[in-house]
Amino acid sequence: ETGVTQTPRHLVMGMTNKKSLKCEQHLGHNAMYWYKQSAKKPLELMFVYNFKEQTENNSVPSRFSPECPNSSHLFLHLHTLQPEDSALYLCASSQDLGAQYFGPGTRLTVT
Amino acid sequence: GENVEQHPSTLSVQEGDSAVIKCTYSDSASNYFPWYKQELGKRPQLIIDIRSNVGEKKDQRIAVTLNKTAKHFSLHITETQPEDSAVYFCAAADSSYKLIFGSGTRLLVRP
Repeated sequence: ETGVTQTPRHLVMGMTNKKSLKCEQHLGHNAMYWYKQSAKKPLELMFVYNFKEQTENNSVPSRFSPECPNSSHLFLHLHTLQPEDSALYLCASSQDLGAQYFGPGTRLTVT
Repeated sequence: GENVEQHPSTLSVQEGDSAVIKCTYSDSASNYFPWYKQELGKRPQLIIDIRSNVGEKKDQRIAVTLNKTAKHFSLHITETQPEDSAVYFCAAADSSYKLIFGSGTRLLVRP
């Protein structure tokens, strides 16, 4: 599969659950990103990984925990989320400071 | 940090007319300005981008202009078509891999 893929595409979880979102890029890029998209803030940067090292976390609550085992894979571990965390979570990748290419997103609902 | 403002929030044009969306940014160190189109239920897709060493860039019906002195950049779509209807996002980035997005413009092209 080409481009940037994300799984699952939809996720419903309770506030006490633990789940993980997965992102994989097939573009040979060296930087990956997590964004949150909601009605309140259309595209909000959460985390940046450059050469597998986290370079930005943008004051994201600790209930969101990123992991980047290699330059092609990115995870977002979720635990004890709140209903206001319901949103579309988008992954993106880029080569250096070039164009960012987005995955299809995971629609998360926290009940 | 960087702040990007985008106007208008909604724009309705007649098919065949032109559409212009404007963005301003605050950080003079920003040097990369992409534009994304997001159709309903789909991922943001890069449609055009410009770097600070260029004042204007064109790709068929789409053009972007950049005024570094005034710190604003604009997207121009000519001969609009119904399939141009979508939400458009501008963004600005400096050398830190941090892409800051505007709040989006919902464009409706009336047939």
